[in-house]
Amino acid sequence: KAGVTQTPRYLIKTRGQQVTLSCSPISGHRSVSWYQQTPGQGLQFLFEYFSETQRNKGNFPGRFSGRQFSNSRSEMNVSTLELGDSALYLCASRATTGNYGYTFGSGTRLTVV
Amino acid sequence: QQPVQSPQAVILREGEDAVINCSSSKALYSVHWYRQKHGEAPIFLMILLKGGEQKGHDKISASFNEKKQQSSLYLTASQLSYSGTYFCGTEIATGGFKTIFGAGTRLFVKA
Repeated sequence: KAGVTQTPRYLIKTRGQQVTLSCSPISGHRSVSWYQQTPGQGLQFLFEYFSETQRNKGNFPGRFSGRQFSNSRSEMNVSTLELGDSALYLCASRATTGNYGYTFGSGTRLTVV
Repeated sequence: QQPVQSPQAVILREGEDAVINCSSSKALYSVHWYRQKHGEAPIFLMILLKGGEQKGHDKISASFNEKKQQSSLYLTASQLSYSGTYFCGTEIATGGFKTIFGAGTRLFVKA
């Protein structure tokens, strides 16, 4: 079956702009999580959505937001971009029955200039 | 609350064994292990639930000591394909999923 799909793969934005990233989870997976990965900070948890509701949130400023649609697809939005937001943003979906881990997408590489 | 992984990096020769440790200060519900190769997404290896179970597939196994909130990943008879960065992810019992990852252990296997 198809994996987790993230679009776009690469983005270059200017400071102050906003950006929207998209994630399509594995069919049947209703939980979608977002992570920011940087060389210095590793994988940092942003938030988790399930059935269109945010269930958990990490320690990121309010400029980072997300949502989930009824088909489980998710979007992440970052407003007023800062240079420090440059990172690889990973989306991961997970089954909610059984003991399984995350399936990650290939990520969106965001560069803020 | 980020779990602590050790060592930070390790270099092995093919066929050697390695152990990667992960410890948390919180009471854990589960521990995950992932491997990420350069330029690729992390790949799920295994999940261990509280109860002290041990799991494994192929020559990679892991244990979870619930009392100490520690998990260890064991790689035996390492292969070149084992090279990458290994992350542990820890979860506490909460509504939904919130997995916090360690900083990673870089493993390099040379011929």
